[in-house]
Amino acid sequence: DGGITQSPKYLFRKEGQNVTLSCEQNLNHDAMYWYRQDPGQGLRLIYYSQIVNDFQKGDIAEGYSVSREKKESFPLTVTSAQKNPTAFYLCASSPVRNTEAFFGQGTRLTVV
Amino acid sequence: RKEVEQDPGPFNVPEGATVAFNCTYSNSASQSFFWYRQDCRKEPKLLMSVYSSGNEDGRFTAQLNRASQYISLLIRDSKLSDSATYLCVVGFSGNTPLVFGKGTRLSVIA
Repeated sequence: DGGITQSPKYLFRKEGQNVTLSCEQNLNHDAMYWYRQDPGQGLRLIYYSQIVNDFQKGDIAEGYSVSREKKESFPLTVTSAQKNPTAFYLCASSPVRNTEAFFGQGTRLTVV
Repeated sequence: RKEVEQDPGPFNVPEGATVAFNCTYSNSASQSFFWYRQDCRKEPKLLMSVYSSGNEDGRFTAQLNRASQYISLLIRDSKLSDSATYLCVVGFSGNTPLVFGKGTRLSVIA
């Protein structure tokens, strides 16, 4: 089955630890995105990538880092510099920029 | 600035009602338009693309008004299962990804 896989679904970390969220797609999409969603709020763009080995900051990139070494994979690292990391993280991909995006099931990160 | 604005709701409607959502966008240099649906604690899922001529998919009708810079979604004969948050999404020209509105929450009541 083609799709986007995020893992894990739930993640708990202690404050001050870096954590990496996985996102893999087998749709052969060029563009991939990371969003953050807080309870009752809209999606906010963290980082996006339109091609392998290239990525751009979104609206709330501070405290996050990404890599795009392979077309299929776009992992997100939440660093200890992110002041309020507890949130629902969504990864998406699209064939090219500005076409419809497809989302993974998300990762709920809780930092205690 | 590229923005997408939606009435947050909630819209509480009885089963069988017709409900309409509007969405406005700030930049006339926009290229693509979509409606997504997001259930509680789940990922957004594409409901339908919006074409210039308007389009219909079963009980759902989407329309685009470029002159006034708004998009609408009409749901006829509402079902309990339509309860969700509906996200308006716009693709602008330039190098930015899709811009998501904050969503309109719909509750269909028996």
